Amino acid sequence: KAGVTQTPRYLIKTRGQQVTLSCSPISGHRSVSWYQQTPGQGLQFLFEYFSETQRNKGNFPGRFSGRQFSNSRSEMNVSTLELGDSALYLCATRVGPYSNQPQHFGDGTRLSIL
Amino acid sequence: GNSVTQMEGPVTLSEEAFLTINCTYTATGYPSLFWYVQYPGEGLQLLLKATKADDKGSNKGFEATYRKETTSFHLEKGSVQVSDSAVYFCALLRTSGTSYGKLTFGQGTILTVHP
Repeated sequence: KAGVTQTPRYLIKTRGQQVTLSCSPISGHRSVSWYQQTPGQGLQFLFEYFSETQRNKGNFPGRFSGRQFSNSRSEMNVSTLELGDSALYLCATRVGPYSNQPQHFGDGTRLSIL
Repeated sequence: GNSVTQMEGPVTLSEEAFLTINCTYTATGYPSLFWYVQYPGEGLQLLLKATKADDKGSNKGFEATYRKETTSFHLEKGSVQVSDSAVYFCALLRTSGTSYGKLTFGQGTILTVHP
């Protein structure tokens, strides 16, 4: 069974640009969450999507947005990039949101802002 | 709000030593608890889980027991190997309320095991 697939693995951008990251969930998983990992702040929750609807949102500015498609694949967009957006962005999926079952993570997208 | 506190790292051990990484949490209700492990250059892998009080999660020789009375979920392994060197994260998942579905992580503990 294929795991969570995130693309691309690495990205280099400059300040002011925008970026789109992609996440394909494990087959049968319909809930997709996004997390930001930095050395200073650790792992922080961005948002969760289920049935193409955002179900929960963390404390990030509106520059961070996401969406989910009918096949459960999700994209995350960051606009007007800032140096502080340099991080590992992790996608995590699970069967559905109304569950106490764990989330399964992809290997992440490493975003570097120059 | 919800929070998870892990013991400060890094932790350095010799092969075959006993490992304990402490984890305590603050949450209302009955969260599920998890340990994740992260190897260099990779995402997080689920190591073990417990969904209710007194549950013991175990996997690959690692164990952790959900202690509601002490709000703890300490990770243990009787004999570590060099291949266990990684970063370990304790996490909780709320199963009710507005933060439903959001994993809250501890700060991570770096483990290094020497031969």
